[in-house]
Amino acid sequence: AQSVTQLGSHVSVSEGALVLLRCNYSSSVPPYLFWYVQYPNQGLQLLLKYTSAATLVKGINGFEAEFKKSETSFHLTKPSAHMSDAAEYFCAVSTNVRNQFYFGTGTSLTVIP
Amino acid sequence: DSGVTQTPKHLITATGQRVTLRCSPRSGDLSVYWYQQSLDQGLQFLIQYYNGEERAKGNILERFSAQQFPDLHSELNLSSLELGDSALYFCASSEQTDTQYFGPGTRLTVL
Repeated sequence: AQSVTQLGSHVSVSEGALVLLRCNYSSSVPPYLFWYVQYPNQGLQLLLKYTSAATLVKGINGFEAEFKKSETSFHLTKPSAHMSDAAEYFCAVSTNVRNQFYFGTGTSLTVIP
Repeated sequence: DSGVTQTPKHLITATGQRVTLRCSPRSGDLSVYWYQQSLDQGLQFLIQYYNGEERAKGNILERFSAQQFPDLHSELNLSSLELGDSALYFCASSEQTDTQYFGPGTRLTVL
């Protein structure tokens, strides 16, 4: 079975500070891993995805995530937060079977000026 | 713009009523997924269709049903609506084993 745990439902950072959003997964088969961002009153937008190629994945808007199999983690980072990064972030895991996604409960990121 | 369209954007209705939400997937995507997002339950997977056939079911109530038509658009039917059905309903589409692309959602308010 697959599942995702996002530690911290709310994260606040100062503008210019490092952003770190945590995601741990559970999967009985090699996973595909995704980070999505949701801005207020909008749908989910793909930030980046890991599909068994390079373990360090770069996404849009300066975000990146590193797949660590030994830690079953896929944490999302950005070196310097911008006010426009304030949004809800979702981690998701999928397998190659039916492409069913399992989403975490989301982390709300607040950026303090 | 993900290429997935959903109509209507907003829907306000009364308890006991029935509504239909519509989704058009990205060109070429055969899979359509429906999700419900509410404040108390987060993002919940409801159902998946692939090329017109139901492929997977999640936490979908018996009062809800969906179908995918030959032109690949999909409809989600919600009946005997309750206050607790108020939520954002998202549709997503994908190729068979690839990223899901989400539509902008339909906000349903049940009064």
